[in-house]
Amino acid sequence: EAGVVQSPRYKIIEKKQPVAFWCNPISGHNTLYWYRQNLGQGPELLIRYENEEAVDDSQLPKDRFSAERLKGVDSTLKIQPAELGDSAVYLCASSLDVRGPEQYFGPGTRLTVT
Amino acid sequence: AQSVAQPEDQVNVAEGNPLTVKCTYSVSGNPYLFWYVQYPNRGLQFLLKYITGDNLVKGSYGFEAEFNKSQTSFHLKKPSALVSDSALYFCAVSSFGGSARQLTFGSGTQLTVLP
Repeated sequence: EAGVVQSPRYKIIEKKQPVAFWCNPISGHNTLYWYRQNLGQGPELLIRYENEEAVDDSQLPKDRFSAERLKGVDSTLKIQPAELGDSAVYLCASSLDVRGPEQYFGPGTRLTVT
Repeated sequence: AQSVAQPEDQVNVAEGNPLTVKCTYSVSGNPYLFWYVQYPNRGLQFLLKYITGDNLVKGSYGFEAEFNKSQTSFHLKKPSALVSDSALYFCAVSSFGGSARQLTFGSGTQLTVLP
């Protein structure tokens, strides 16, 4: 079974530039999560989707971050414009549905903003 | 609000010795508890979970964890450490009340197994 796929794995951009991350969850997993992991810290939830609906985006900085999950499968997380403080690893995870508590994580995208 | 504390940033243990990585939690209602492991430049890998039932939970790669409700702890253990166990370990908690399905992670414990 293929795991959660993310791309790109690494991204270096200058501040004020836009950037997008892509995630393909495990097949059949209805719930998708985006996390941000700062160096030396645990992941922090940005947004959670159940199918195509964003049901928890309270931690997403909406002035510059946006996300979408068209057709309830793949998802894209965008930052525009990026700031120096956005440098982090962005992790995507999925779970079978809201009853399946364990989440399976992708390898992450390491973003460096210069 | 739910929270997780991993009091040790770093744990060193000799190969072949038992290891323990500590975790305490705070949550409203019944906790769902998890351990994940992260290798360099990799995502988090699920190790084990406690939902209900037996307080001793067995997981992948010979790891186990003990749920202690009175001490609100969920320590990760392994009887005999391997050098390949060296990695960053995260404890996490969620509750199905309030902020349902939200997984809150600790800050992580770097485990180093010395040959």
